[in-house]
Amino acid sequence: ETGVTQSPTHLIKTRGQQVTLRCSSQSGHNTVSWYQQALGQGPQFIFQYYREEENGRGNFPPRFSGLQFPNYSSELNVNALELDDSALYLCASGLSNEQFFGPGTRLTVL
Amino acid sequence: AQSVTQLDSQVPVFEEAPVELRCNYSSSVSVYLFWYVQYPNQGLQLLLKYLSGSTLVESINGFEAEFNKSQTSFHLRKPSVHISDTAEYFCAVSPYPILGNDMRFGAGTRLTVKP
Repeated sequence: ETGVTQSPTHLIKTRGQQVTLRCSSQSGHNTVSWYQQALGQGPQFIFQYYREEENGRGNFPPRFSGLQFPNYSSELNVNALELDDSALYLCASGLSNEQFFGPGTRLTVL
Repeated sequence: AQSVTQLDSQVPVFEEAPVELRCNYSSSVSVYLFWYVQYPNQGLQLLLKYLSGSTLVESINGFEAEFNKSQTSFHLRKPSVHISDTAEYFCAVSPYPILGNDMRFGAGTRLTVKP
């Protein structure tokens, strides 16, 4: 039990729609990172937020965006969904020398 | 940019046998190295990490990994595996001290321990 929760657990959307995924971190954690894990692959870094500002970004288009809130929660928003966006989305929150992963949200785009 | 190659996609072993999961990385800057484990339908859990100091790092459940800078490797080993070690293992690197930032993962190695 990492203390990091994600909602929803599963989600089905159609191409072109928009989706918001949520992550609730442990109290005191000042970073949150989001990853996309396609089936059979390792997680790919989307971006990291540090003290509510984007602190780094991987090779993902601008239609992937995020927010981090003062209450240790965060969101990942994806616009104009594509079939290839189907994946497990993981958030990880932490302090400077440790990060804890949530169980993930399984997104299916039809 | 940095990258990670896990040399074996699947490793089947018998219970109580030793195991080595291989990881090589490529980076133009100094990096921090990690091994994560993922059990079915769960998120990733940190197994061990190398930040600095001794090149041999150990986890609480018997795994160890050795950072070899000249060979750019960070192989994971366990002298005697248990059925409960069956899981997916991911090697990862990050160039930043704030963990998670620009962390790159390998494709994973599925360890299956047979009775």
